[in-house]
Amino acid sequence: QEQLVESGGGVVQPGKSLRLSCAASGFTFTSRGMHWVRQCPGKGLEWVAVIWNDGSHRYYGDAVQGRFSISRDDPKNTLYLQMNNLRVEDTAVYYCARRGGYSGDDLDLWGQGVPVTVSS
Amino acid sequence: SFELTQPPSVSVSPGQTARITCSGDQLEDKFVSWYQHKPGQSPLLLLYQDAKRPSGIPERFSGSNSDNIATLTIGGTQAMDEADYYCQAWDVTSVVFGGGTKLTVL
Repeated sequence: QEQLVESGGGVVQPGKSLRLSCAASGFTFTSRGMHWVRQCPGKGLEWVAVIWNDGSHRYYGDAVQGRFSISRDDPKNTLYLQMNNLRVEDTAVYYCARRGGYSGDDLDLWGQGVPVTVSS
Repeated sequence: SFELTQPPSVSVSPGQTARITCSGDQLEDKFVSWYQHKPGQSPLLLLYQDAKRPSGIPERFSGSNSDNIATLTIGGTQAMDEADYYCQAWDVTSVVFGGGTKLTVL
């Protein structure tokens, strides 16, 4: 069945880097754009980044612009989020999600989430 | 910047109809999606393109978008519907989520 599985989370010190991965299966990865979304403790959903299905466009939320980078490896059916210069406020559960297949405005499949804690 | 505004909480009695609103500038010109998020689970897409239900979503979940207010309506609310609900739309090149509404089924 269609599935997204995140990995790579953990505890990291402020200023350090971390790379999250999202393994996709059960659908044609190259046909869909992909997102990262996070939920900070006690807060709502916050959009982080999107990459087009062909990698031609990448956009970021204001909070992570210039520090995070989204990429994809299509032969491996894997989405990545490179997080640099991490801050305490980046502590969150990070979800990867698939861009919807009709108008593309929605996120129609989500992973289970991976926790990231930024703490000294 | 573009923002989506939701009420922080809505309460409803079992079997009654719950309505959760989402407002934003020129929202009626955008497609709105709705998500259900329960603790410890992944968010679930409930509605896309304002009112369309993905396969497997019960018919009691419905939506509308007019006069810059999108509304998620849950008919015959059940205890299992207790969750956080988020609206979402695109603003040019970014995705925006509403702040979320906690639905309590009393």
